[in-house]
Amino acid sequence: SQELEQSPQSLIVQEGKNLTINCTSSKTLYGLYWYKQKYGEGLIFLMMLQKGGEEKSHEKITAKLDEKKQQSSLHITASQPSHAGIYLCGARRRYYGQNFVFGPGTRLSVLP
Amino acid sequence: GAVVSQHPSRVICKSGTSVKIECRSLDFQATTMFWYRQFPKQSLMLMATSNEGSKATYEQGVEKDKFLINHASLTLSTLTVTSAHPEDSSFYICSARENLGVTDTQYFGPGTRLTVL
Repeated sequence: SQELEQSPQSLIVQEGKNLTINCTSSKTLYGLYWYKQKYGEGLIFLMMLQKGGEEKSHEKITAKLDEKKQQSSLHITASQPSHAGIYLCGARRRYYGQNFVFGPGTRLSVLP
Repeated sequence: GAVVSQHPSRVICKSGTSVKIECRSLDFQATTMFWYRQFPKQSLMLMATSNEGSKATYEQGVEKDKFLINHASLTLSTLTVTSAHPEDSSFYICSARENLGVTDTQYFGPGTRLTVL
């Protein structure tokens, strides 16, 4: 089973709509990262969350890590076609040690 | 914005040979660089964390003798796939961390596609 679950697996929204993508783990996470991969382009680092309850924003994208540090949500406000792509979450499962895992990704399409 | 380059972008080699991939941060210094491997269907895996002037930290299951990482300067990290085999064929991506205190971000290279015949 996936160490990190992402939902939904794919999402199609109309331009201007808000949307949320979730990243969930059954275990406490130490460092939660969000990335975006645009079709045919490279990866983009969006933000990193470490503390429970932490929230960060990057342009119209806001991500939050819950208090238990087991779930993160990525929220896009007033989506635009430029937001389309695959959103990946990644996280370290233990405070020390080499154990970084990625979620399977959420494919977002934004219809103009 | 900051730019990270990778060289080569594509390489084809014979089984048993070694291949070196370079990752450069072009306009900033990166004390930390990361190496990833991307499998078909978008599955991404962090291979190792490369720290300038010290040994790389490998993720569980990644053979350090197979994937040699050297971070000799603040702008260059190299990944050498030794004695490559067809199962090593993959898309290898690096990223460089820019930690300015107020901001801490990573910039990704465009990737290197390795095909081992």
